[in-house]
Amino acid sequence: EAQVTQNPRYLITVTGKKLTVTCSQNMNHEYMSWYRQDPGLGLRQIYYSMNVEVTDKGDVPEGYKVSRKEKRNFPLILESPSPNQTSLYFCASGGGNDYEQYFGPGTRLTVT
Amino acid sequence: DAKTTQPTSMDCAEGRAANLPCNHSTISGNEYVYWYRQIHSQGPQYIIHGLKNNETNEMASLIITEDRKSSTLILPHATLRDTAVYYCIVSARYGGATNKLIFGTGTLLAVQP
Repeated sequence: EAQVTQNPRYLITVTGKKLTVTCSQNMNHEYMSWYRQDPGLGLRQIYYSMNVEVTDKGDVPEGYKVSRKEKRNFPLILESPSPNQTSLYFCASGGGNDYEQYFGPGTRLTVT
Repeated sequence: DAKTTQPTSMDCAEGRAANLPCNHSTISGNEYVYWYRQIHSQGPQYIIHGLKNNETNEMASLIITEDRKSSTLILPHATLRDTAVYYCIVSARYGGATNKLIFGTGTLLAVQP
C-alpha cells in the first residue's frame, strides 16, 4: 500500500530538548516536504526536498532542520524547540508520473 | 499568499451534488488546478487535478472555465463522510516532479443529513 508514515504521532516535550520527527515513504518519490498547520493560518511549508541530498527552505523554515540522505526518508529536526513550534506537522511526498502528493497522518507536537 | 479564492463555508444536503467554486484569475499557462480535502486534522487527501479540460474520476468532477480563471469541484452525491475542508490550489509542475502546494484557507463543506 502506498503510504507516508510519520513518527511519533503525538509528542509533548519541553523547551530546548532536541527532537526528531521521522517521515518515510514507500513510493520511490523524489519530492518530499514538511508542512505545519496552525489554526487560522492553514498549512505552511517548512522545508522541501527535490531529491536525495537536495533540500530547500519553504515559507517558515526558522527553527527547523531537515536532511535527505535516503530517498525514502525525510526527518524534521527541532534542535531547540520553543512553545511557538507547538503545531500539527505533516509530511508529504510526490513525483514521477504521479500528479498526486501523498500526505502522512500528522504529528501533533506540544512544546511546554 | 494563496493564488486562489474560495468561499469560507458551504452546506450541502446528503445525496445532493456539492458544487465548490474557486477563483484563480492570475493562473499561469503552465499551472494546474488541484483539489485536496482535509477531514478533521487528518493529512490532506488528493481529489483531482486539471490543466484546461474538464476531468472526472471516481471521487469528483472538475470543471474549468475556458479562460481558466475559475473552476468548480463537483461531488455528485455528497455523503456525511464528505464533510471536510476543500482546498483549491494552483501549481506548476516542473521536469516531472511535483511542485510546492500553497494551501489557502479552503472551503468548509458541511454535508447535512
